[in-house]
Amino acid sequence: DAGVIQSPRHEVTEMGQEVTLRCKPISGHDYLFWYRQTMMRGLELLIYFNNNVPIDDSGMPEDRFSAKMPNASFSTLKIQPSEPRDSAVYFCASSSWDRGLDTQYFGPGTRLTVL
Amino acid sequence: LAKTTQPISMDSYEGQEVNITCSHNNIATNDYITWYQQFPSQGPRFIIQGYKTKVTNEVASLFIPADRKSSTLSLPRVSLSDTAVYYCLVGDITGRRALTFGSGTRLQVQP
Repeated sequence: DAGVIQSPRHEVTEMGQEVTLRCKPISGHDYLFWYRQTMMRGLELLIYFNNNVPIDDSGMPEDRFSAKMPNASFSTLKIQPSEPRDSAVYFCASSSWDRGLDTQYFGPGTRLTVL
Repeated sequence: LAKTTQPISMDSYEGQEVNITCSHNNIATNDYITWYQQFPSQGPRFIIQGYKTKVTNEVASLFIPADRKSSTLSLPRVSLSDTAVYYCLVGDITGRRALTFGSGTRLQVQP
């Protein structure tokens, strides 16, 4: 298996622009997670899905952030409009029910820079 | 959520055994203890998980005392490539609770 795939790996944009991050989980996994990592705040869980349904979005910072999972093999995290404080590494992870939600496989991350 | 406390950093030398302890005083009955490893510019990687007593795999051992208020990740004979941040997580595996990564322990292995 190729593991969790994220794109793009790097994104540089200007304040006010829309940013879309993409994730393809491991085939057969029924949980998908989005995290954000910064030096100041560490690794924060933003939202997670189970069988394509959002379960907990309490970590989503504000209405500028939205996440979707239209099918079992694809998810997006969108920021609109983006702000400099959104600069971070965004990780997607997936897991399967039989191994437990906390046995996660992480993607390589997307490094977002908002100028 | 069960809060975890780990040392901020540790130093070791190649070939030594490293033990990283995590405190989780308010762990719940259904909670498991999971450790992750993160190298620079990479996502965290699952290392080991346990509920009680001792768990061992090809990478590490996890020791959990009877009261489960702490746990110790043991890395045998570390090498330079074990330099990373190690996170201890405590959570419910049934899918009803979010996961919290704390600050982690930054392990530096020197030659």
